[in-house]
Formats: sequence, structure tokens, C-alpha cells
Amino acid sequence: GNSVTQMEGPVTLSEEAFLTINCTYTATGYPSLFWYVQYPGEGLQLLLKATKADDKGSNKGFEATYRKETTSFHLEKGSVQVSDSAVYFCALRDMNYGGATNKLIFGTGTLLAVQP
Amino acid sequence: DTEVTQTPKHLVMGMTNKKSLKCEQHMGHRAMYWYKQKAKKPPELMFVYSYEKLSINESVPSRFSPECPNSSLLNLHLHALQPEDSALYLCASSPYSKETQYFGPGTRLLVL
Repeated sequence: GNSVTQMEGPVTLSEEAFLTINCTYTATGYPSLFWYVQYPGEGLQLLLKATKADDKGSNKGFEATYRKETTSFHLEKGSVQVSDSAVYFCALRDMNYGGATNKLIFGTGTLLAVQP
Repeated sequence: DTEVTQTPKHLVMGMTNKKSLKCEQHMGHRAMYWYKQKAKKPPELMFVYSYEKLSINESVPSRFSPECPNSSLLNLHLHALQPEDSALYLCASSPYSKETQYFGPGTRLLVL
């Protein structure tokens, strides 16, 4: 079945360091891919998305490129801030979950801790 | 505006209580979702409503009862819950059933 694999956390970085959080997926067809962020005590916020191969999603300095050849959607940011500390979830839309339904398959989440 | 609101923010209930969680969106979205999230885990889908009709029930116990009174409102009725049902309950909506989901802030539920 479809699945998402994320790198284990926590990822601990100093402020202004470069961030990469790896995400790979297994899916049939061409699923849409998403990164969601969850700040402490809050719900999920959509960070960025990509709907087809070679698309680059970007938002708030974060970027991820849909790589079909490597089935990856790694999240990157050039210079992290303390305020980026959160849990990051990679997800794909399950295209096989019935014709009219929309199920997200989430990775396990990666905790990012940015230190001043 | 991509805001989904949820009330209450926190809820404590006993195993014999009946309570309800409420979710609202005014973005004209036609699909709404309930998720359950345990600590340090990803969200798990519980129910999907599409055009106010229940389209997915992920084998959720009957002590959880969803309701969609109109296209803007989604309720989750709770009855005879167990302590292991304590979790963050997230609501989400999407314009149609195949588009990006937007999440609310969640209701943190504690069952004693």
C-alpha cells in the first residue's frame, strides 16, 4: 500500500543552520505531496505542497521538490530560526482511496528543535 | 482565509458523560474530516463527510458519532468514552473531496 517514510528526529540545529528533513514515499500513480507543520499545542498547518513531478513547493523560506525518480519530497530551509521549532509531517494524498475521497497518508513526523 | 475553528479547546470528561466537539468553516468547503492524534504520533483519519454525507468511517467505535448538520458545521458526539480515547481531535476541511485539507487547532480531550 501507499506509505510515507520520514527521517527520525529529533533534529537539533543552531539558529541560521541549514535544514533538511528527508521524506520518501511509496505510491502507485502520481500522488500529491504535502508538508504540514505542527507547533507545540496546536493543530496542523499546511506548509507547502506539490501536485506533480518536478513541482517545487515553497513557503516561509521552506522548499521541497517532488522527485519522482527518487520518490522523495525532502524539506529544506536555508537558515532556520528558533520560531521554526515544531513537528513537521510529510504526507501524500492516497489516490487509490475510492474515487471521490481524499485520504492523507502521514509520515511519523520529525521534531525540529532550533537553539539560539 | 483558510480558517477552521474548533470548540472547545480543551475538554475533560468522565467515562459516563456525553459531550460534543464542534468544528466550523466558512470557506465554502464541501468536504470535512475528523482526525484523532495521540501524543508523538501522526493524525489518524476517523471520518470524512463529502457534501454533508458520510463517505468514510475508518472503523471507528460507535461511542464516537459524527454529524454534519450543514455544509459549514461538523460535530463529533462522544458517549461512554474510555481513557485511551484521550487525544487531540482535529477537524479539517477541503474545497472538494480531492483537494488540499486545512486543519483546525484541535480539541484536546482527556477522559478520566
